[in-house]
Amino acid sequence: DAKTTQPPSMDCAEGRAANLPCNHSTISGNEYVYWYRQIHSQGPQYIIHGLKNNETNEMASLIITEDRKSSTLILPHATLRDTAVYYCIVRGVNTNAGKSTFGDGTTLTVKP
Amino acid sequence: SQTIHQWPATLVQPVGSPLSLECTVEGTSNPNLYWYRQAAGRGLQLLFYSVGIGQISSEVPQNLSASRPQDRQFILSSKKLLLSDSGFYLCAWRGQVYNEQFFGPGTRLTVL
Repeated sequence: DAKTTQPPSMDCAEGRAANLPCNHSTISGNEYVYWYRQIHSQGPQYIIHGLKNNETNEMASLIITEDRKSSTLILPHATLRDTAVYYCIVRGVNTNAGKSTFGDGTTLTVKP
Repeated sequence: SQTIHQWPATLVQPVGSPLSLECTVEGTSNPNLYWYRQAAGRGLQLLFYSVGIGQISSEVPQNLSASRPQDRQFILSSKKLLLSDSGFYLCAWRGQVYNEQFFGPGTRLTVL
């Protein structure tokens, strides 16, 4: 699985968009980008994933650059409940028994 | 819908005592199951995964073992706990469409 690089921490004002970057320069053609978040003392929660097209669901939007070497998770209107650690993971859909490598992620703090 | 259960939620054990953590999944059959450990302030470390009953793969050498006696049951064990076994233990199963992972609520283990 490709390695990912994320900033260790970010702040965001409540009500503003939170843009969380992830670099995955060694991503291969069949690997997807997945995002999870972990609220303190809970298990991680799946947010969204994508291959090359931008994706949007009820939680967030995922923007993947054309060369697929980086991506951005966007929380359009951050709330205090979005304070969490956000993990970016790159993995093939059906490879490696579905194992995922979770790095240290980005700690997002939403401030009032 | 699918749900995943872990118990106990918290556990305090003395060094040298045995351990048994249980994870069960409802609403899916023949899932891939995973055990992760998370040290304070860090990312998740994959410990074991299982693709079926009785099939266990270990990711890192350690003091722990895993078993899968039934399709939707995954157990993490130790014969003698070490101080370094303290951490937040998470069980997860893999979604069969998008290969995302769904996590349980976790067990916080403190070894004294």
